Amino acid sequence: KQEVTQIPAALSVPEGENLVLNCSFTDSAIYNLQWFRQDPGKGLTSLLLIQSSQREQTSGRLNASLDKSSGRSTLYIAASQPGDSATYLCATFISTGNQFYFGTGTSLTVIP
Amino acid sequence: NAGVMQNPRHLVRRRGQEARLRCSPMKGHSHVYWYRQLPEEGLKFMVYLQKENIIDESGMPKERFSAEFPKEGPSILRIQQVVRGDSAAYFCASSPPMREAFFGQGTRLTVV
Repeated sequence: KQEVTQIPAALSVPEGENLVLNCSFTDSAIYNLQWFRQDPGKGLTSLLLIQSSQREQTSGRLNASLDKSSGRSTLYIAASQPGDSATYLCATFISTGNQFYFGTGTSLTVIP
Repeated sequence: NAGVMQNPRHLVRRRGQEARLRCSPMKGHSHVYWYRQLPEEGLKFMVYLQKENIIDESGMPKERFSAEFPKEGPSILRIQQVVRGDSAAYFCASSPPMREAFFGQGTRLTVV
């Protein structure tokens, strides 16, 4: 069974800082890894998808990397803004599985 | 192309009533996943369906819960004889096979 861990559980930074969110997983036989954002009381918004054959994906100020062999992914957010405040979730889909396995998330607060 | 549509957004049921949650996947997506999110907890997998087939229901309680994804129409998650512990946010996601998942805004069920 895939176990997905996200560290830290919560993070508070001043506006403008660059930051890194971490995601680790126990089963490296993943098909893909996806980063989501969830605002309070809302659904999940897909941010980036990394296929198992890829090392990183970029979208605007976001950059996600994947190291399958070590079971790690990072989400880098450049020049953080108050609007980035949300919970960030990573999820993996393993090659032999039928579900996305989610971490418990990192709650990010960007202070103006 | 509309996103994943879930309705109702909010549902209040008295103990013992039935709750029916609907999910219309994105156009062209043949895979549907249901997740439950309890307050201050992570997303827990419930069931994975393809058209007219339940592929994996290992996360769904064996009693009172059922799911379907008919040939025509939305996927339905049905909870019979609801209890207070069923109060949660229920999210539906759809994807093409092994590809990026898109989530709906969720249905927030409150059992009174």
